Amino acid sequence: DTAVSQTPKYLVTQMGNDKSIKCEQNLGHDTMYWYKQDSKKFLKIMFSYNNKELIINETVPNRFSPKSPDKAHLNLHINSLELGDSAVYFCASSQEGPQRVSKNIQYFGAGTRLSVL
Amino acid sequence: GEDVEQSLFLSVREGDSSVINCTYTDSSSTYLYWYKQEPGAGLQLLTYIFSNMDMKQDQRLTVLLNKKDKHLSLRIADTQTGDSAIYFCAAYTNAGKSTFGDGTTLTVKP
Repeated sequence: DTAVSQTPKYLVTQMGNDKSIKCEQNLGHDTMYWYKQDSKKFLKIMFSYNNKELIINETVPNRFSPKSPDKAHLNLHINSLELGDSAVYFCASSQEGPQRVSKNIQYFGAGTRLSVL
Repeated sequence: GEDVEQSLFLSVREGDSSVINCTYTDSSSTYLYWYKQEPGAGLQLLTYIFSNMDMKQDQRLTVLLNKKDKHLSLRIADTQTGDSAIYFCAAYTNAGKSTFGDGTTLTVKP
């Protein structure tokens, strides 16, 4: 069983469209993340949720809206897609409770390659 | 906030040792990690070290931590072509966030 799974694996779309990427983890973790990896392979954190609550929100355009219906799922919705949104988006999870005493070892999904034309 | 830096590229010959270096800025970093990313895949934890340790060895991997200089290194002994990947250094602080470096692309030549 895949621990962190994200769908779709590939997403090709036109500029201006709205799209969603889904992420699910079956590890029982409390915290989930979205990262963006650009063409130079640089990895930047976008959002982090702990038990459905937003705890990290880096400087990301308002067009990006994460949604966590429960602690096992963190979806990413993107409105009005732009060329610069083309990247690989990674979902990750870690076992980090409110006391933050865990090692914060993160488990990553395989990535969603988004191409905006 | 935390800043993590590492050199972007390293090229070695098969059988040699590889050393990937990383520096971080936040002295309160508690855990330091090395993640490996193979082509077309997500990151996978390779190893980690707690800040009260200065060395950790796991088979071909040796992690050295110099807390005073805020310097972390990953040594891979007897490097194989299968070790070719991007290696990310990351640091975790009690602020509840891990900060990743930009990744070092390791190329192993036969």
